Amino acid sequence: TQLLEQSPQFLSIQEGENLTVYCNSSSVFSSLQWYRQEPGEGPVLLVTVVTGGEVKKLKRLTFQFGDARKDSSLHITAAQPGDTGLYLCAGGGGADGLTFGKGTHLIIQP
Amino acid sequence: NAGVTQTPKFRILKIGQSMTLQCTQDMNHNYMYWYRQDPGMGLKLIYYSVGAGITDKGEVPNGYNVSRSTTEDFPLRLELAAPSQTSVYFCASSHGTDLYGYTFGSGTRLTVV
Repeated sequence: TQLLEQSPQFLSIQEGENLTVYCNSSSVFSSLQWYRQEPGEGPVLLVTVVTGGEVKKLKRLTFQFGDARKDSSLHITAAQPGDTGLYLCAGGGGADGLTFGKGTHLIIQP
Repeated sequence: NAGVTQTPKFRILKIGQSMTLQCTQDMNHNYMYWYRQDPGMGLKLIYYSVGAGITDKGEVPNGYNVSRSTTEDFPLRLELAAPSQTSVYFCASSHGTDLYGYTFGSGTRLTVV
């Protein structure tokens, strides 16, 4: 069974600060995806990374896939209240689709 | 585009009652999924389908049934509701490879009392 561990579980910071959240596994994944979920809504895909060492930027968000394709990180620069949400990572390559981590609850205080 | 549409948005059931959660997608995706999300537990896969007429069990299928008669629809059936089935249920669809990601519906919040 492939497992993804996300850390921290909860994070509350002030607007303008930088932060990094992590997604780790002992398994190799063919791809790694990040989703953001807001209260009362379903998760929304932010990015997919597929190559070990790959870095993708989405405005103030930077996503990195580990060289061994077992881990990933999400870095947010100058966080804003609109970044508040549950961030989920998901690993691809399993027989029944994506394996989801339990998520990081992020709160950005004005 | 509507994407993935789930109904109802909220529902309260009594123990032993039955209901069907509806899920429709208009993206012509072959793959569809049902997840439940409980606080602190993440998304657990209930059932999935790789195409019309084909379904398979996920991690937590007990107490649920599905059917896939068309590409667009993937309803989830609860036959004898139990308090343990209180959860938020999400339907999702995808092209079929992990590279494309999943499109999720907005969820159904179910309470069994």
